[in-house]
This record gives sequence, structure tokens and C-alpha cells, in this order.
Amino acid sequence: QVQLVQSGAEVKKPGSSVKVSCKASGGSFSSYAMSWVRQAPGQGLEWMGGITPIFGSANYAQQFQGRVTITADKSTSTAYMELSSLKSEDTAVYYCARAGGYCSSTSCFDYWGQGTLVSVSS
Amino acid sequence: QSALTQPASVSGSPGQSITISCTGTTNDVGNYNLVSWYQQHPGKAPKLMIYEVNKRPSEISHRFSGSKSGKTASLTISGLQAEDEADYYCCSYAGGSTWVFGGGTKLTVL
Repeated sequence: QVQLVQSGAEVKKPGSSVKVSCKASGGSFSSYAMSWVRQAPGQGLEWMGGITPIFGSANYAQQFQGRVTITADKSTSTAYMELSSLKSEDTAVYYCARAGGYCSSTSCFDYWGQGTLVSVSS
Repeated sequence: QSALTQPASVSGSPGQSITISCTGTTNDVGNYNLVSWYQQHPGKAPKLMIYEVNKRPSEISHRFSGSKSGKTASLTISGLQAEDEADYYCCSYAGGSTWVFGGGTKLTVL
């Protein structure tokens, strides 16, 4: 059974950066794309980007291009999402999510992390 | 990448059926049979309910079903139960290893 465990809550100042981790256990870490999805308070889910560890290249949603960097460390089965130039509007719960059960790499997200709250405030 | 369009809210009485629509474009819903639906209770992570338009994980009740016509996908919940009250999100593959979610629909069981 795949488990995704994320790092703890963060409080950041506007203009700074945050790096959230997502450690996977069970299943094959390298074979499936790991995506990052965020949810602002009271708002919907928003796909930010993803990476397939076996290939090493990341894809990003247009609205986050240039501000988000997603990486993966195969040796520790951990994916990272770094968001820079933080604004108050970036206050949200950030989830990692991936396929590997019912989902193929392009079809859906079976497994979700518990979420990491990032608060941006001066 | 614009969010897929869902109604903000739907409601129904216990035992009734409801349908939530999800409208996209020819770049996402209309081009791929890779629409999935997620249920989210307050403070919890999303849970996969339907994948590849109309497939259901074995642990998900038969009361949940999905369909698609053109650029619009739909989630139907039959025999509404109190525990179905939650937010529901559609999601579609949009090509080039990118995905797009819907804005979400709040289901109220009256």
C-alpha cells in the first residue's frame, strides 16, 4: 500500500520561498508521476505541476511557471515542491498526489498526502 | 489552462439521485477519456471516486457512477445518503503531462 507523508506546516513572509516534501513508501516511486495540488482556504483544488522521477523532468501549470520548482530524489523516494516569491494569496494547503493503484500515469490520482498548510503573512 | 466548470452547489434528499456536471474544452474533457472525480470532506484529503470517466474503484459504492458526452462529464449519485454530503471535484488530463480540476461542487443532503 502506497503512503505519502508530507512535511509539516510552514509560516512564511511575503517574498520568501517555501519547500514542501512528500515521502513515498510502498509501490514504485520512480514509475509514476508525482503531482502537487493546492487548495486555498474555502477554494477548490488547483493542479500546480508534477514530475516523473524516472525521467526527471517536470511539467508545470501555466499560472505557476517560473515560480514553482518540483524535484524528486529517487534515493529517498521523496518529492519536493518549492514555491518562490510568496504572496498572501499563496496561503493554502498543498497536497502531493500520484497514481499507481487503479490509476495509470495519465488517468487520475489514487494516493494523496495528508496536506501541508503554508501560511504567508507579514 | 482554465478550470473545468462545475455548478457551485447541488442538493438532494436522502434516497434521491443527483447529477453533477463538469464542462471542459476540446483540449481536456473533450479530447481524453481521462476524467476522474474526487470526494472531499472538510479537513480531509480528496478521495478518488471515479476514474477514466466511468470506472469505479472496488471499494466505492455502486451508487456512484460517471459518464461523458462531448466536452461535459457527469457524476451521478443515486440513493443519496447523509455521508455523501461533501465537496466533489472533477479532473481531466489535458495533455503534455498536465491536469486541470473543476472548481468544485458542494453537495448538500437535505
